[in-house]
Amino acid sequence: AQSVTQLDSQVPVFEEAPVELRCNYSSSVSVYLFWYVQYPNQGLQLLLKYLSGSTLVKGINGFEAEFNKSQTSFHLRKPSVHISDTAEYFCAVSSPSFNKFYFGSGTKLNVKP
Amino acid sequence: DTAVSQTPKYLVTQMGNDKSIKCEQNLGHDTMYWYKQDSKKFLKIMFSYNNKELIINETVPNRFSPKSPDKAHLNLHINSLELGDSAVYFCASSHGGNTEAFFGQGTRLTVV
Repeated sequence: AQSVTQLDSQVPVFEEAPVELRCNYSSSVSVYLFWYVQYPNQGLQLLLKYLSGSTLVKGINGFEAEFNKSQTSFHLRKPSVHISDTAEYFCAVSSPSFNKFYFGSGTKLNVKP
Repeated sequence: DTAVSQTPKYLVTQMGNDKSIKCEQNLGHDTMYWYKQDSKKFLKIMFSYNNKELIINETVPNRFSPKSPDKAHLNLHINSLELGDSAVYFCASSHGGNTEAFFGQGTRLTVV
């Protein structure tokens, strides 16, 4: 069975500080990995994705993530956050054989001035 | 041009009523989904369609009936609405499991 675990439900951080949002997954097959951001009352927007190739992927808004196969992790990082990064972040996995995307429970990033 | 559009954005209705949510994508994707997001923000798959065929029905009550008239549309009809149906419903589409999913803006359903 497949699953996605986001270890932190909430992450408070001060503006301009670095942040890491953790994501671990479990799957018996190779997967593709994604991070989405959801701003209040909006849909999900793709931040970045790992399909193949370099394990360090860069996304929009200065975010990046590193795929670690041995650790089955795909942690999201940003070196300096802004107030506008306050949102809910979701990690997700998919595979051609799944016919759906598995989502983690989300991490609420709260950036304080 | 909105890639995945769903209507309405807000829906307030009384218990027992029947309502529909419409979804259209102009991305040429072959797979469309309905997800339900509860009050704790958890995203749960409801249905998955590939080329108009139902692929996944994730233990959703029979009161929920999806319909895909063509590859670009996936509508959701809900009969006899209950208080517990209150949630945000998201439509999404993708090229199977090979790429990312694109999401609509969501429909916030409130049953009173």
